[in-house]
Amino acid sequence: AQSVAQPEDQVNVAEGNPLTVKCTYSVSGNPYLFWYVQYPNRGLQFLLKYITGDNLVKGSYGFEAEFNKSQTSFHLKKPSALVSDSALYFCAVRDRSEYSSASKIIFGSGTRLSIRP
Amino acid sequence: DGGITQSPKYLFRKEGQNVTLSCEQNLNHDAMYWYRQDPGQGLRLIYYSQIVNDFQKGDIAEGYSVSREKKESFPLTVTSAQKNPTAFYLCASSMREHSNQPQHFGDGTRLSIL
Repeated sequence: AQSVAQPEDQVNVAEGNPLTVKCTYSVSGNPYLFWYVQYPNRGLQFLLKYITGDNLVKGSYGFEAEFNKSQTSFHLKKPSALVSDSALYFCAVRDRSEYSSASKIIFGSGTRLSIRP
Repeated sequence: DGGITQSPKYLFRKEGQNVTLSCEQNLNHDAMYWYRQDPGQGLRLIYYSQIVNDFQKGDIAEGYSVSREKKESFPLTVTSAQKNPTAFYLCASSMREHSNQPQHFGDGTRLSIL
């Protein structure tokens, strides 16, 4: 069975410091991995994805994520946090052995990122 | 601009009443989805549709119904059988043929019980 874990409900970081939001996954095959961000009373916005190739993926708003197959992790990172980065972040996984784009995408429970000035 | 429009933004349901949430997309996507979001939980899939006139149950379909008569539209009805409907409902769409493509989300409908 597929699963995604975001072990931290909340992450607090000072503005200008680096940030990491953790994500680990479990799938039967090789995964497609995604990060989304959600601002209050809004839908999810796509940040970045890992399909294949370079383990370091760069995305929107200066975010990046590192795929680590041995640790089954896909942590979201940013070198210098902004107050405007404060939001809810979701990791998601889909087993690439499933052809259909529907279903089988599993979302983590979310991590609230709070950046203090 | 292309995107997904959900309406209304806020909705209140009376006891025993069915309510319908609207979702329209102009992205020319084949696949559409409905998710429920509760505080402290991730998104849970209610229903999804890969093509017009076809849809499948997700993980929590009981008490909900959908239709897909047009490619652009995927309305969700919350029936009186759904005893705990208070939640934030999100509609999403994606290109059907490419499972590595991200889903695009609307801005949600917040449903509450009167």
